[in-house]
Amino acid sequence: GAVVSQHPSWVICKSGTSVKIECRSLDFQATTMFWYRQFPKQSLMLMATSNEGSKATYEQGVEKDKFLINHASLTLSTLTVTSAHPEDSSFYICSASIGTTEAFFGQGTRLTVV
Amino acid sequence: GQNIDQPTEMTATEGAIVQINCTYQTSGFNGLFWYQQHAGEAPTFLSYNVLDGLEEKGRFSSFLSRSKGYSYLLLKELQMKDSASYLCAVLDSNYQLIWGAGTKLIIKP
Repeated sequence: GAVVSQHPSWVICKSGTSVKIECRSLDFQATTMFWYRQFPKQSLMLMATSNEGSKATYEQGVEKDKFLINHASLTLSTLTVTSAHPEDSSFYICSASIGTTEAFFGQGTRLTVV
Repeated sequence: GQNIDQPTEMTATEGAIVQINCTYQTSGFNGLFWYQQHAGEAPTFLSYNVLDGLEEKGRFSSFLSRSKGYSYLLLKELQMKDSASYLCAVLDSNYQLIWGAGTKLIIKP
């Protein structure tokens, strides 16, 4: 089946620094990638939808200047959390889809900001 | 290894009831999620179970048995719009989400 690889699996960073999370579709070209955030024991929250070569569409309440999304190719999207603060500590997940078929999920990245 | 098993595809009739099963083997357990996903759209959260038992939300219910590593999603009074993929996911001891491959549910009139 289709594989989506997310890297890193976990990261600890200091407050004020930036962290980049990569999402790669390994064996298919993803026309659309989704980025989610999940707080412990809460639902998956969609942050943004990105299509290759165009600007990401952010959900209401998500700061686009803080969560930078780059979808440079059909197999790679990156989420950069800029000037991270402890409240940004969360579980970030990406998924990638092929056209209008279902999306395939990465394994997630656990971010801890200290 | 870790794995989540759920049927690949199920078919049901409008107005009927369908149960989608999910069995899991993971290193630790911090909860089980069910998501619904329509083709081309982002998945939407349906339910979260961390304790044994049945949680009911309108037409949808989710059941969990941690001792058996088993959950099911029950959909009642099926409507055509319920045709979608249903994803089971388990949060393991490291808070990594382990995803099932999804069950494609086809509703027939």
